[in-house]
Amino acid sequence: NAGVTQTPKFQVLKTGQSMTLQCAQDMNHEYMSWYRQDPGMGLRLIHYSVGAGITDQGEVPNGYNVSRSTTEDFPLRLLSAAPSQTSVYFCASYTPGEAYGYTFGSGTRLTVV
Amino acid sequence: GDSVTQMEGPVTLSEEAFLTINCTYTATGYPSLFWYVQYPGEGLQLLLKATKADDKGSNKGFEATYRKETTSFHLEKGSVQVSDSAVYFCALSELSDKLIFGTGTRLQVFP
Repeated sequence: NAGVTQTPKFQVLKTGQSMTLQCAQDMNHEYMSWYRQDPGMGLRLIHYSVGAGITDQGEVPNGYNVSRSTTEDFPLRLLSAAPSQTSVYFCASYTPGEAYGYTFGSGTRLTVV
Repeated sequence: GDSVTQMEGPVTLSEEAFLTINCTYTATGYPSLFWYVQYPGEGLQLLLKATKADDKGSNKGFEATYRKETTSFHLEKGSVQVSDSAVYFCALSELSDKLIFGTGTRLQVFP
């Protein structure tokens, strides 16, 4: 199993550009989430989904959009990149009842200049 | 809302020393509690978990006990190794739909 796959691993954007961070999982997990990791802030939840067609906002949703058209994919869209969105982004997936908790991707390091 | 507070790092230890990383939480209900570990350049991996009061999670020599009376879930290891150097995150989940993380504690172990 590949687990949770995030692409790209690194990205540099100019202020105002848009882009989509991809996240795919092959474990048939119901729940998927996006987090951003910043120094001294831990991981903060951006958006999450409890199933295809269902999404909700987390702690820091502004400037980001998500959709969940399939169980496998949960892309994160930056509408108009800002330097404050420079961060490392992690996608995670989970199915209730699984013993080993959330499975995380290896992250996307995004720099906005 | 729910929150997790961890001790600030870095925690610097010599090999074979005893480790404690403190974690306390605030929750409205009865959350599950987790410790995740992040090695340099990698994503997060589940280290251990506990789902109810007085449960003890353990893995790779690490232990943590769910203390409802003190709302704590402190991580301990009796003898750390250089390979344990990483960032450790305490987290909680009330309804399994999302995790709430602490800010992380960096552990540095020297030979």
